[in-house]
Amino acid sequence: EIVLTQSPGTLSLSPGERATLSCRASQSVLNNYLAWLQQKHGQAPRVLIYAASSRATGIPDRFSGSGSGTDFTLTISRLEPEDFAVYYCQQYGSAPLTFGGGTKVEIK
Amino acid sequence: EVQLVESGGGVVQPGGSLRLSCAASGFTFSSNWMNWVRQAPGKGLEWVSRINPDESITGYADSVKGRFTISRDNAKSTLYLQMNSLRVEDTAVYYCVQVQYGWGRGTLVSVSS
Repeated sequence: EIVLTQSPGTLSLSPGERATLSCRASQSVLNNYLAWLQQKHGQAPRVLIYAASSRATGIPDRFSGSGSGTDFTLTISRLEPEDFAVYYCQQYGSAPLTFGGGTKVEIK
Repeated sequence: EVQLVESGGGVVQPGGSLRLSCAASGFTFSSNWMNWVRQAPGKGLEWVSRINPDESITGYADSVKGRFTISRDNAKSTLYLQMNSLRVEDTAVYYCVQVQYGWGRGTLVSVSS
């Protein structure tokens, strides 16, 4: 089973700042099948990025994904008020599919 | 617009059964892998099961193996999860997921005596 470790656990930033979230896998993710999800309180997760760097339909271009193998990054270039949420990474290259523990992006 | 709409959740006693459904639209359902993922109250995300487009490959989390069965009807663009021998620890919101296209809003399954 691939274990995904996200860091930091909490990121305190102000609107307009840049956010950099990390996801490290315990072994290489097959085909870089790594997705990033956003979840707001009481809502279902939303797909932001799939295949490490492809933006899902309708996702603003301030969200970008990068990385390969075992190290992946989600960058939010300029935080908007609606971006304060919990972010998860997910690998779907091999079963069992696994999720990171999440990074909470909170308003500083 | 992609839509994934789950149904079938509810309250059930330990040992009981439920069948979840997920109606999909807005993408080519018959060509895509589909998943069920759950989230217990206040907890993180846990993958439950997946199925390939022609149903020839399925996979399950160890926690549900032998109790849950995933299936699909491509003619109806519908995904299913048959849940038997339910346990208290199966209590969660169950989401229908296509990794690239999105997540449904979820359906709550509560297992309680």
